[in-house]
Amino acid sequence: ELKVEQNPLFLSMQEGKNYTIYCNYSTTSDRLYWYRQDPGKSLESLFVLLSNGAVKQEGRLMASLDTKARLSTLHITAAVHDLSATYFCAVDTPYTGNQFYFGTGTSLTVIP
Amino acid sequence: NAGVTQTPKFRILKIGQSMTLQCTQDMNHNYMYWYRQDPGMGLKLIYYSVGAGITDKGEVPNGYNVSRSTTEDFPLRLELAAPSQTSVYFCASSYEGPGPNYGYTFGSGTRLTVV
Repeated sequence: ELKVEQNPLFLSMQEGKNYTIYCNYSTTSDRLYWYRQDPGKSLESLFVLLSNGAVKQEGRLMASLDTKARLSTLHITAAVHDLSATYFCAVDTPYTGNQFYFGTGTSLTVIP
Repeated sequence: NAGVTQTPKFRILKIGQSMTLQCTQDMNHNYMYWYRQDPGMGLKLIYYSVGAGITDKGEVPNGYNVSRSTTEDFPLRLELAAPSQTSVYFCASSYEGPGPNYGYTFGSGTRLTVV
């Protein structure tokens, strides 16, 4: 079974600070996805990473993928309160059919 | 454009009762999925469908059934509700399965409590 682990599970950070969320997965894959979920809401797609070395940026968030290390990072630059949410990574491979395997999520709280 | 619509948004069931969670999408997506999200956890796939008339089990299918008679609709049936099925259920769709331009579109979720 493909396993996806995120750390940290909980993150409290001050506005203006930088931090990185890590997503490790257990099998070969070059397809990784990041989602954001606000409390009580659905999941919103943030990034789709499809090759080793892929990097995507949107505002204060930047995601990267290292398929050799089976690792993706979500870097937060100069955090603002609006980034408070839970962030999930998900992985799929040609060997798992049409299934996404989700990490347990990182709950981010940005403190003013 | 409504996207993926789930009903109901909230429901309380008694043990042993049955219910159907409805999911409809208007994007002409071939692939549809049902996930459950337990508190503080990620999402786990219950069932999925790659087109009308075709369904398959995901990671946690026990206690659930699905059907896909049309492209638009993918209802999830709970026959004998158990407390372990207390969860938030998300329906999602995508055009050609997970891939570069077709990540999932999620519905708003159904919060189910079994007492």
